[in-house]
Amino acid sequence: EAEVAQSPRYKITEKSQAVAFWCDPISGHATLYWYRQILGQGPELLVQFQDESVVDDSQLPKDRFSAERLKGVDSTLKIQPAELGDSAMYLCASSFAVGRNNEQFFGPGTRLTVL
Amino acid sequence: GENVEQHPSTLSVQEGDSAVIKCTYSDSASNYFPWYKQELGKRPQLIIDIRSNVGEKKDQRIAVTLNKTAKHFSLHITETQPEDSAVYFCAASPLNTDKLIFGTGTRLQVFP
Repeated sequence: EAEVAQSPRYKITEKSQAVAFWCDPISGHATLYWYRQILGQGPELLVQFQDESVVDDSQLPKDRFSAERLKGVDSTLKIQPAELGDSAMYLCASSFAVGRNNEQFFGPGTRLTVL
Repeated sequence: GENVEQHPSTLSVQEGDSAVIKCTYSDSASNYFPWYKQELGKRPQLIIDIRSNVGEKKDQRIAVTLNKTAKHFSLHITETQPEDSAVYFCAASPLNTDKLIFGTGTRLQVFP
């Protein structure tokens, strides 16, 4: 069964350093999402892509976070510089199409710890 | 924007009992309400969903009910089993978006 892949699974970094996370959605899924999940809370959408275009990045802290999906397939989320408050699980999800409330399939996540 | 509240935050039941988790949402235009189960250390997985044109949906031991007037929806698990132990998240999707606004989660523990 196809799954969303993410790497790395765990990342420890010091504040002010740069970090990057990678996501490979299920083949054929046009929509890709990045969520941040703080311990004890539900996932919060950071950015949504439809193919290579950003559909929603209203909750993305653009002064330090950036995301790209250059060829409309895999995606990278970057934080520069990392801050202590960025410690969280970063989840990637994908769905088949936009505008039809299709099921979102989640990856295993990257757990970021900022020291 | 949409806001989703979820209760209770923790729920402990005896195996075989029923469990009910409730969520309320603020945007009356939201039209899609999925429930995700997240086992410890694993990814969230969709277990059931309901759309605003339906009042109830059932899949074996789990069911979801939606009250659009009151803007709340609930997850019902009957005949609970230890493998149902996990964190459950409700979510709401505002009209004309694929965005999901999640609740804060309910940790369900089923004791044998």
